[in-house]
Amino acid sequence: GAVVSQHPSWVICKSGTSVKIECRSLDFQATTMFWYRQFPKQSLMLMATSNEGSKATYEQGVEKDKFLINHASLTLSTLTVTSAHPEDSSFYICSANLRQALNYEQYFGPGTRLTVT
Amino acid sequence: SQQGEEDPQALSIQEGENATMNCSYKTSINNLQWYRQNSGRGLVHLILIRSNEREKHSGRLRVTLDTSKKSSSLLITASRAADTASYFCATVLTGGFKTIFGAGTRLFVKA
Repeated sequence: GAVVSQHPSWVICKSGTSVKIECRSLDFQATTMFWYRQFPKQSLMLMATSNEGSKATYEQGVEKDKFLINHASLTLSTLTVTSAHPEDSSFYICSANLRQALNYEQYFGPGTRLTVT
Repeated sequence: SQQGEEDPQALSIQEGENATMNCSYKTSINNLQWYRQNSGRGLVHLILIRSNEREKHSGRLRVTLDTSKKSSSLLITASRAADTASYFCATVLTGGFKTIFGAGTRLFVKA
């Protein structure tokens, strides 16, 4: 089946620095990818929809200047957490859509655990 | 949650018992999916049910969908300790492909 990878799988950074997380579709092209954030013992919250070649669409309450999304190719989307703070510590998961006939199948990456100290 | 609720929030059962989790959602959907997540890990896709389907089976899993009530249930039969995990329903909204997750049910199966 289709595979989505994320890099890094975990990262620790200091408060005030920026962190980039990559999401790659390994064996298919994805015009659309999604970024989710998950706090401990909570569900996945959709942050934004990443569209190849255009600006990302952010969900209400998500700061677009803080969470920069770039979808420069059909297999790669990146999420940059700028000026990270401890409250940004979370599990970030991406997903990529693969169109199958008339339906879309969504494939999730393994997640990136971000810890901001 | 962004889309709906799941109940119960937490469920503790003995190995061998059945576990039922329910999910409600708010808007029209294209399909509904159930995922499992072990603590601190990624998602494992369990089953997908389309909006025109009412029931689906996969091994020990049985999923029902009632679009008139905007609800779904996941039944795990003959549970095992290895089934201990969080279970999420996720809906793909009609007319789009955005997937929204429910709040999740934390299942604990005691050996």
